[in-house]
Amino acid sequence: RKEVEQDPGPFNVPEGATVAFNCTYSNSASQSFFWYRQDCRKEPKLLMSVYSSGNEDGRFTAQLNRASQYISLLIRDSKLSDSATYLCVAPETYKYIFGTGTRLKVLA
Amino acid sequence: NAGVTQTPKFRVLKTGQSMTLLCAQDMNHEYMYWYRQDPGMGLRLIHYSVGEGTTAKGEVPDGYNVSRLKKQNFLLGLESAAPSQTSVYFCASGGQYNSPLHFGNGTRLTVT
Repeated sequence: RKEVEQDPGPFNVPEGATVAFNCTYSNSASQSFFWYRQDCRKEPKLLMSVYSSGNEDGRFTAQLNRASQYISLLIRDSKLSDSATYLCVAPETYKYIFGTGTRLKVLA
Repeated sequence: NAGVTQTPKFRVLKTGQSMTLLCAQDMNHEYMYWYRQDPGMGLRLIHYSVGEGTTAKGEVPDGYNVSRLKKQNFLLGLESAAPSQTSVYFCASGGQYNSPLHFGNGTRLTVT
């Protein structure tokens, strides 16, 4: 099993929709989790950090389910500008292994 | 505030040539990382360093060497480039254990 797994998508959603992605991780000892946004092979940019059960920032909510070993990212009221690839990472000690990313396309 | 700076931004090599990619960070971060990203794939960890003078292998280390002689710099070397090493290379740094990483803008390498 890969350390971090994501559904590659693409998720095609209309503007204003709510969309959720999951990311499963294999190392039960991971303490922190991060969601990054990546546009068209530019550098990934930090979107949210998750250290406990969850985190919310405006339209974005990240939740952690330790029992099932996954983190989720919920985007409400999707905007065209949300179209991007969303990467998750669950560090194992000092090794930061990324998932392959989930591609989101928000349609007008 | 420069953050993480990668040089060069673009490079074309012929098979068998060598080169070094430089990553420099001005945030006094302990941890530094080199990733490669191929079309349709995520970031794959090549090598990383948890402090000056230390390096460790990641997921795909073969064909690459690294050095961290100074805390602020992490060098990635290709001794004999191969077409399979055509990729976008990202460097990242992190300040503390379990903290998020900060990325450089990437180096686009083509090996012909």
